[in-house]
Amino acid sequence: AQKVTQAQTEISVVEKEDVTLDCVYETRDTTYYLFWYKQPPSGELVFLIRRNSFDEQNEISGRYSWNFQKSTSSFNFTITASQVVDSAVYFCALPPMNRDDKIIFGKGTRLHILP
Amino acid sequence: DGGITQSPKYLFRKEGQNVTLSCEQNLNHDAMYWYRQDPGQGLRLIYYSQIVNDFQKGDIAEGYSVSREKKESFPLTVTSAQKNPTAFYLCASKKAGAGSNQPQHFGDGTRLSIL
Repeated sequence: AQKVTQAQTEISVVEKEDVTLDCVYETRDTTYYLFWYKQPPSGELVFLIRRNSFDEQNEISGRYSWNFQKSTSSFNFTITASQVVDSAVYFCALPPMNRDDKIIFGKGTRLHILP
Repeated sequence: DGGITQSPKYLFRKEGQNVTLSCEQNLNHDAMYWYRQDPGQGLRLIYYSQIVNDFQKGDIAEGYSVSREKKESFPLTVTSAQKNPTAFYLCASKKAGAGSNQPQHFGDGTRLSIL
């Protein structure tokens, strides 16, 4: 089965704290990709990162980092030194390897950064 | 700049009325998608289209209809048969046939409410 689980429905942290958003996935494919999207209050989903299953190296982009672990089927997202502008809903997603299949989104984690 | 334009941003529907949500993209993408998002919920796929003049039902197509007469446009009609249309509607597009490593690009959304 193709499935993405974001167990954290809502998280609140104080500004400048670090926060990790969890994503656990299930897939029948041996090779696959994973995405993270951000949905700010304005509503548009903004693509953040793509990771393929060949590469388990962690990725860092500024204050954002991603920890991909195939052994635990997880693709967690950490924001370091959080800022109020990071407040948003974050979605983890598993795109299809077959072009006729659908991308599977997790239910999202709503992140509140408190000033 | 290329992107996806959804209009209107806010829409109100009277009982028994059909309403149409517009989605236009100038990214030259083949595939287009409509999602529904309810408060605190993830994204649910309504319809998608991989090519002009062809479209497929998603997970919650009942009460909705679409057309794909032009590559750039994928309007969604919410019919009177949709008894609970109040939601946030997101349109997306992506390159088709380019593999699953291509993310979907999203519009800003349309918020539909019942009068």
